[in-house]
Amino acid sequence: QVQLQESGPGLVKPSQTLSLTCTVSGGSINTGSNYWTWVRQPAGKGLEFLGRIHFRGNTDYNPSLKSRVTLSIDTSKNLFSLNLSSVTAADTAIYYCARDILGQVLNSPDNYYYMDVWGTGTAVTVSS
Amino acid sequence: QSVLTQPPSVSAAPGQKVTISCSGTRTNIGNNYVCWYQQLPGTAPKLIIYDNDKRPSGIPDRFSGSKSGTSATLGITEVQTGDEAEYFCGTWDFSLRMGVFGTGTQVTVL
Repeated sequence: QVQLQESGPGLVKPSQTLSLTCTVSGGSINTGSNYWTWVRQPAGKGLEFLGRIHFRGNTDYNPSLKSRVTLSIDTSKNLFSLNLSSVTAADTAIYYCARDILGQVLNSPDNYYYMDVWGTGTAVTVSS
Repeated sequence: QSVLTQPPSVSAAPGQKVTISCSGTRTNIGNNYVCWYQQLPGTAPKLIIYDNDKRPSGIPDRFSGSKSGTSATLGITEVQTGDEAEYFCGTWDFSLRMGVFGTGTQVTVL
C-alpha cells in the first residue's frame, strides 16, 4: 500500500526557508483525483493544514500562510515538497505529509474530504 | 487556528461509551462530510471515520460517526485503555478552500 516519508533538516535558523520533502512509495503520485498535503502540529497543540498539490500542479494553500508557503511536485521522482519562507519560532512543529481525497457527493452539493495516508512526521525546530 | 470546536477532554471507565462532539459552520460541516482521526501518543494521526460514518478497513465497529447540520459526533463503545488518544474531526471548508480540523479531544480511560 501507499506509504509516505518526510525528510529534511531538523533545525532551521530564523528568517531562513524551511524545506521538506515527502517521498511516496508503494504507488504512483500521478493518480487521478488524489492531492498531496502538508499538515503541521506544534508540540501539545492541534493540527494545521498548510497546503495541498495535485500532480498536474493545482494547489490550495492555507490563506493565513499563503504568502510564505510554496508546494511543488516531482512526478519523475514520486515526491512532493514544501518550502516555508521567513520562518520564526512559531513555525517549530512536527510536519506531516499526507494523501488527501476531495470529491463531490453524488447527487448532492456536499463534498467529502479526508486524509487517508499519513507520513510518520518530521520534527522541525526554528532556532539560532 | 482550529476552525472546528471540540471539547478538550472526555473520560470514561473501561467498557463504557464516550462521545465527542465537533461543531462547525455552514461553510464546513454544514455542507461537507466529516472525518475523524485518532492520534496515539507520539504517532501520526490515523483516519478512523470518513464520509461521516464510514470506517476504513481494520477499524473496529466500536467506532462510529454521525453528522447533523453543522455538528458531528464520534462515538466509541466498550472503550479500552488502547483507545486513549487525541481525536480530531476534519472536513473541507469551501470558503477558506482548505482542509480544517477540530481543536482535538483527549480521551482518557479511567
